[in-house]
Amino acid sequence: NAGVTQTPKFQVLKTGQSMTLQCAQDMNHEYMSWYRQDPGMGLRLIHYSVGAGITDQGEVPNGYNVSRSTTEDFPLRLLSAAPSQTSVYFCASSYPRGTTNTGELFFGEGSRLTVL
Amino acid sequence: DQQVKQNSPSLSVQEGRISILNCDYTNSMFDYFLWYKKYPAEGPTFLISISSIKDKNEDGRFTVFLNKSAKHLSLHIVPSQPGDSAVYFCAACTYGGATNKLIFGTGTLLAVQP
Repeated sequence: NAGVTQTPKFQVLKTGQSMTLQCAQDMNHEYMSWYRQDPGMGLRLIHYSVGAGITDQGEVPNGYNVSRSTTEDFPLRLLSAAPSQTSVYFCASSYPRGTTNTGELFFGEGSRLTVL
Repeated sequence: DQQVKQNSPSLSVQEGRISILNCDYTNSMFDYFLWYKKYPAEGPTFLISISSIKDKNEDGRFTVFLNKSAKHLSLHIVPSQPGDSAVYFCAACTYGGATNKLIFGTGTLLAVQP
């Protein structure tokens, strides 16, 4: 059971380049999210999705796009990379909170992005 | 505006003693709270959660306490073990809010000394 898989694990970009961080989950979770972790800032929500075809913005969405064409995949696109987007990015998935589960997020191992 | 605050960046505890990690929140609409643990170069992993209808939840060595009037929650680890050394994040979401919209604190680095 792979859980949440993120690729690539490391990436170096130049300012202005674009790229896509891939995220796939094999747990049939409805909910998926992207967070970024920066020193002293904790984890901040970039975008999230509550199902295929449905996405919405989180706390820090500027400079990022997402799409959810399937339940399994939730790629994060950086349109024109900036040094301020240097960060560690985490993808996560979960079931909705219910009476028989806590709805907790399952996280991938992270993608470390450096923008020069 | 930081809605979830962990004011202690770090905490050092002796093995076998109690670790108490604190978290404050400002949004009275939060009704569900979670604690995550994170090791270096890994993603966060879920530890324990509590709903606002409760004031305590236990799971083995981990207990979370919620004081709604003070907008404060704490995580107690008893007894602390060296393997508990990690960064601990508290997180919250609003009533009916999807748990993939968590608001996280800045984290507390726990070091358990052998």
